[in-house]
Amino acid sequence: DADVTQTPRNRITKTGKRIMLECSQTKGHDRMYWYRQDPGLGLRLIYYSFDVKDINKGEISDGYSVSRQAQAKFSLSLESAIPNQTALYFCATSDPRKGQQETQYFGPGTRLLVL
Amino acid sequence: AQTVTQSQPEMSVQEAETVTLSCTYDTSESDYYLFWYKQPPSRQMILVIRQEAYKQQNATENRFSVNFQKAAKSFSLKISDSQLGDAAMYFCAYHGNEKLTFGTGTRLTIIP
Repeated sequence: DADVTQTPRNRITKTGKRIMLECSQTKGHDRMYWYRQDPGLGLRLIYYSFDVKDINKGEISDGYSVSRQAQAKFSLSLESAIPNQTALYFCATSDPRKGQQETQYFGPGTRLLVL
Repeated sequence: AQTVTQSQPEMSVQEAETVTLSCTYDTSESDYYLFWYKQPPSRQMILVIRQEAYKQQNATENRFSVNFQKAAKSFSLKISDSQLGDAAMYFCAYHGNEKLTFGTGTRLTIIP
């Protein structure tokens, strides 16, 4: 079984709809991240969380919110989806121990299309 | 803010040959980490190799090796004996100040 899972894997929604992307991990890592990938732009950080009570904005947080329900679960919400949020979304985790925290492990991605 | 530049949007190599992908970065920090990730058509992000900035020795993982030039802020990836399964997007990434910054990627095509 995969260590980092994302649901759904693909989603089509309409402008104005609320949508939630979910991430679960069995790696036991405290640190979790959400990224967005657009063609030609690489991955950009949306939000990150170093533990259940710690949530931080990343480079492109406008229009998104997150919830860290447990150590193993980190959800990303689009409160009112718009077409330019069409992208590939990745969840990632890392081990907080010194010397390990820098390496991030990614889920399989969720492809989102906003019509 | 840190930036990572991959100046080669696309590269191609003959099967069994060697190819080098380029990456440069900009930082004022002295302690950081560098990575290469591979993204095949399945779109999974797969860690290829990792380099600690304080280590002078270049990292190696089987057919993959890096040329880390700290003063020049350069971090290239060499793939030896290229295989069809190496075809993918390759992303260079910099980790500093608790964050990972990615380059825009290089698409590698393997010619049979």
